[in-house]
Amino acid sequence: SQQGEEDPQALSIQEGENATMNCSYKTSINNLQWYRQNSGRGLVHLILIRSNEREKHSGRLRVTLDTSKKSSSLLITASRAADTASYFCATNSNYQLIWGAGTKLIIKP
Amino acid sequence: EPEVTQTPSHQVTQMGQEVILRCVPISNHLYFYWYRQILGQKVEFLVSFYNNEISEKSEIFDDQFSVERPDGSNFTLKIRSTKLEDSAMYFCASSEWGGLAGGLNTGELFFGEGSRLTVL
Repeated sequence: SQQGEEDPQALSIQEGENATMNCSYKTSINNLQWYRQNSGRGLVHLILIRSNEREKHSGRLRVTLDTSKKSSSLLITASRAADTASYFCATNSNYQLIWGAGTKLIIKP
Repeated sequence: EPEVTQTPSHQVTQMGQEVILRCVPISNHLYFYWYRQILGQKVEFLVSFYNNEISEKSEIFDDQFSVERPDGSNFTLKIRSTKLEDSAMYFCASSEWGGLAGGLNTGELFFGEGSRLTVL
């Protein structure tokens, strides 16, 4: 079964607005990680949230995890043009990270 | 800041040829990974490597693929006889902890910038 399905697939907002992306998964996890990928570049780790944590912050990023609903959200506040990228969630079960298809975020100036 | 480096950045090859993609993971990391991403699509796990052996591999990682850590720094992915469908971006990653050492958790992965493989 697939893990880490992000929605929406694409999101376009004005600079300064908040962006929220969601990730749903099917099986139990040890942790969930969010990554950013600029076009044609490698993936950059943003936040890791463990299964016993409910919320985590890093700068303008806020991640929540609801294990009862098997879902996570990534909130980017006060978006900037530089936040334009694809955002992936990856769920960790046992030894592997299973990746979603990503949300493509476009910040319009 | 330490980083994962990959070479080549782009390789074009003929179908049936062998390709070796190279990676230098972060020096104090113990876990190494190869992923691939077909343009615009999902990141796909290929293989993880720890203590000089494969710890996990996906169904994509069939007999045409192999990995090696020939010395203390390099980590290579070899594709023996390339097919058209092997065209993709190949990412190497490393992590400080994972597997049994991480209580079956996988830690933060540090990715290289990728090697784009084009098979003609």
